[in-house]
Amino acid sequence: SQTIHQWPATLVQPVGSPLSLECTVEGTSNPNLYWYRQAAGRGLQLLFYSVGIGQISSEVPQNLSASRPQDRQFILSSKKLLLSDSGFYLCAWTRRSVFSTDTQYFGPGTRLTVL
Amino acid sequence: AQSVAQPEDQVNVAEGNPLTVKCTYSVSGNPYLFWYVQYPNRGLQFLLKYITGDNLVKGSYGFEAEFNKSQTSFHLKKPSALVSDSALYFCAVRDFYDTGRRALTFGSGTRLQVQP
Repeated sequence: SQTIHQWPATLVQPVGSPLSLECTVEGTSNPNLYWYRQAAGRGLQLLFYSVGIGQISSEVPQNLSASRPQDRQFILSSKKLLLSDSGFYLCAWTRRSVFSTDTQYFGPGTRLTVL
Repeated sequence: AQSVAQPEDQVNVAEGNPLTVKCTYSVSGNPYLFWYVQYPNRGLQFLLKYITGDNLVKGSYGFEAEFNKSQTSFHLKKPSALVSDSALYFCAVRDFYDTGRRALTFGSGTRLQVQP
């Protein structure tokens, strides 16, 4: 079966510091990968998605960037954190197939607090 | 552009009573519809999805959802609520034509509170 991991689970960082959040998926190959941010325990905003190694699409302009150095690894980064970057970051994956009906599965999330 | 509306911020129901969490959607093509549940400080768990066929979809933990094309709705239901069902529920949609990105558009979430 497939599993998705995220770390760290929680992170407290000062404003202006760098950020690196990691997501890995096990048990599948060539997944589509996604980063979402959830603010104030409510709606999810899609930040980035990737359909393959080195292929990153950004959904919203912001202070963050993403990379996919390996097939099942997705990294969210920032060079200098802002207060507004605080939130709950969720990684997700979808099987890549000819069908767009596939379910999206989420990781456990990372709670980021920027002080 | 696709969108999802969850008109209720919170739904309160007594344990043992039926529950409904409402969701309406807007897409340009045929919709693929999903329900997820989120417990505090956890990721989203998949409950059920509608792709095509029977308008009544059954999912995990006794939940079901009814697809209504004319009303563009996909309401989540359960015949008898449990206190452990208390959580945040998200409705999401993907457009049939989105074969590349395959991202989901989420509603704002509805908090379900089941009182003992």
